[in-house]
Amino acid sequence: ILNVEQSPQSLHVQEGDSTNFTCSFPSSNFYALHWYRWETAKSPEALFVMTLNGDEKKKGRISATLNTKEGYSYLYIKGSQPEDSATYLCAFIRFGSARQLTFGSGTQLTVLP
Amino acid sequence: GAVVSQHPSRVICKSGTSVKIECRSLDFQATTMFWYRQFPKKSLMLMATSNEGSKATYEQGVEKDKFLINHASLTLSTLTVTSAHPEDSSFYICSAQSSGSSYNEQFFGPGTRLTVL
Repeated sequence: ILNVEQSPQSLHVQEGDSTNFTCSFPSSNFYALHWYRWETAKSPEALFVMTLNGDEKKKGRISATLNTKEGYSYLYIKGSQPEDSATYLCAFIRFGSARQLTFGSGTQLTVLP
Repeated sequence: GAVVSQHPSRVICKSGTSVKIECRSLDFQATTMFWYRQFPKKSLMLMATSNEGSKATYEQGVEKDKFLINHASLTLSTLTVTSAHPEDSSFYICSAQSSGSSYNEQFFGPGTRLTVL
């Protein structure tokens, strides 16, 4: 059983605040890590696919970093807006796992206006 | 691009009935589709992987006779919950992947909330 942990479980921030959350995963046999943004009643939306140690990716105000040696990834949101409110999921893929994603339980972000 | 639909979005049924959930890739060919289940406050758990034209591969602990999966075309996979019972009530979500996907990128449907009375 692969352990993929996300913290915190939920987070409330004020509009304009910057925030970050963590995904930790096994540090051996790393293949890829995916970040998804999941709004209620919608499909999870792919944010980033992280593949190399030290990767940093950015999409607008959202960015992510990856440390495969220690088994963690951070997701940052700069200047949070109410429309950023969603659950953020990470999913780990182990090398040789036949395309299977192992998900964390998500961080539920609420941005208060 | 890369849109996956899932139908129905919500279903309520009586115990003992069977429920079929459809997952469609609308603008790409999905050689592989995945079915997940989510329990309250838990992560998405993979139930099975289906490849077009072949039998699905089920994860440990998932009853293949209870959860029938068919992937008859490159754009459609179905999950049938047979003889559903209240303990099958859950959120089911599918994802689809093309043969040329980068690092196993998957595209998700919006999910189906099943309630068995």
